[in-house]
Amino acid sequence: QKEVEQNSGPLSVPEGAIASLNCTYSDRGSQSFFWYRQYSGKSPELIMFIYSNGDKEDGRFTAQLNKASQYVSLLIRDSQPSDSATYLCAVKGGTYKYIFGTGTRLKVLA
Amino acid sequence: GAVVSQHPSWVICKSGTSVKIECRSLDFQATTMFWYRQFPKQSLMLMATSNEGSKATYEQGVEKDKFLINHASLTLSTLTVTSAHPEDSSFYICSARSRSSNEKLFFGSGTQLSVL
Repeated sequence: QKEVEQNSGPLSVPEGAIASLNCTYSDRGSQSFFWYRQYSGKSPELIMFIYSNGDKEDGRFTAQLNKASQYVSLLIRDSQPSDSATYLCAVKGGTYKYIFGTGTRLKVLA
Repeated sequence: GAVVSQHPSWVICKSGTSVKIECRSLDFQATTMFWYRQFPKQSLMLMATSNEGSKATYEQGVEKDKFLINHASLTLSTLTVTSAHPEDSSFYICSARSRSSNEKLFFGSGTQLSVL
C-alpha cells in the first residue's frame, strides 16, 4: 500500500463547477497535510495546509481533513480553466519527511 | 510566502560533465532542504535531505557519490550531478522548510537537466 494515494485522473469538470480532489494516507501518526498545485514544467506551489480535523477555507479553496478515516480532500469552487494543473497531496508525520502522492490531474473545461 | 530561488532553470550538458544546481532561501532561514527529481508525468521522488552543517541523508537507491549535496549555510544548498549521463536527465527541484512557517515546504522553480 502506498503511503499517500491519489487518483491520477484526469478529473474533468466544467468551468464554474466544484472540483473535488481526494487523498488517503497510511500513517496514522501524520500530523500535517498540504495541497500543492503544479503546472506542467513548473515546480509545485503551496495552496493549502491543514493540521486539524475539519474544514479550512481560503478563497475558492477548502481543505478537509478526517484523521479517523485518514483522508484529506481539496475542494475548488467556481473552477476556472486556469485551475487546470496537477494537484499534489503531501503528508508529514513525526519525522522530517514529507510524503507526496502521485498527484491528480485536473482539467477544467471552458 | 517564503521565496526559494533555484538556478539554473535549465542546463544542457555533455555526457561525463558535472553540473551544479543552487538552491537559496531568500527571506528565511532554511534549517532543512530537500532535493527531488521528477520525470515527466510522474510524482516527486525525494533524493536526499540536507541539514545545515551536516551530511545529507540520501534515500535508498540514490548514489551519494553521484549526487553531491552541500548545505553550507542556512540559506544555501547545492546539488552537484557528477559525471552526468543521459539517464540523469530530469527535472530537479529543491525545497526548503522554514523554521518559522510552521512546517510549510516551499519549492524552488526547478532545474531541467538534459544530458546529451
